[in-house]
Amino acid sequence: DADVTQTPRNRITKTGKRIMLECSQTKGHDRMYWYRQDPGLGLRLIYYSFDVKDINKGEISDGYSVSRQAQAKFSLSLESAIPNQTALYFCATSEGGLYNEQFFGPGTRLTVL
Amino acid sequence: KNEVEQSPQNLTAQEGEFITINCSYSVGISALHWLQQHPGGGIVSLFMLSSGKKKHGRLIATINIQEKHSSLHITASHPRDSAVYICAVPNAGGTSYGKLTFGQGTILTVHP
Repeated sequence: DADVTQTPRNRITKTGKRIMLECSQTKGHDRMYWYRQDPGLGLRLIYYSFDVKDINKGEISDGYSVSRQAQAKFSLSLESAIPNQTALYFCATSEGGLYNEQFFGPGTRLTVL
Repeated sequence: KNEVEQSPQNLTAQEGEFITINCSYSVGISALHWLQQHPGGGIVSLFMLSSGKKKHGRLIATINIQEKHSSLHITASHPRDSAVYICAVPNAGGTSYGKLTFGQGTILTVHP
């Protein structure tokens, strides 16, 4: 079984709808991250959490919110989806420390019409 | 200006060729990650290195901390190496501790 899982894997929705993307991990890591990937722009950090009680905005947090329900679960919500939020979304986890490897989920392809 | 720059952005090679992908960064760090993104979208970590060279199979990564430059080499390239290769550096200090800044990726296509 995969260490980092994301649901759903694909989602098509309409402008204005509320969407939740879920991430679960079995690696026992404290740190979890949400990224989005757009063609030509690379991966950009939306939110990150260094433990259950610590949640921080990344470089592109506007229009998104997160919830860290437990060490193993980190959810990303789009309260009112808009077309420019169409992207590939990745969850990742890591141990603490400066140089620790990040482990990525398989990604969620979100299309907002 | 991006803090992490990769070159080339696109690379096409014939099977068997030696491949080099470069990464330069402007932030002060002491380690760098190389990631591979498969055509299906999944991302896996290839290397994390803070000095010298690391080798895994046909993949070799080098880093020069003083010059703020790293290279990823693929020997005897194969079509299954076709992927996007991404370098990333951690942000040191303060609330950025442990976050990564990513390059834009290099799209590698290896033809049979």
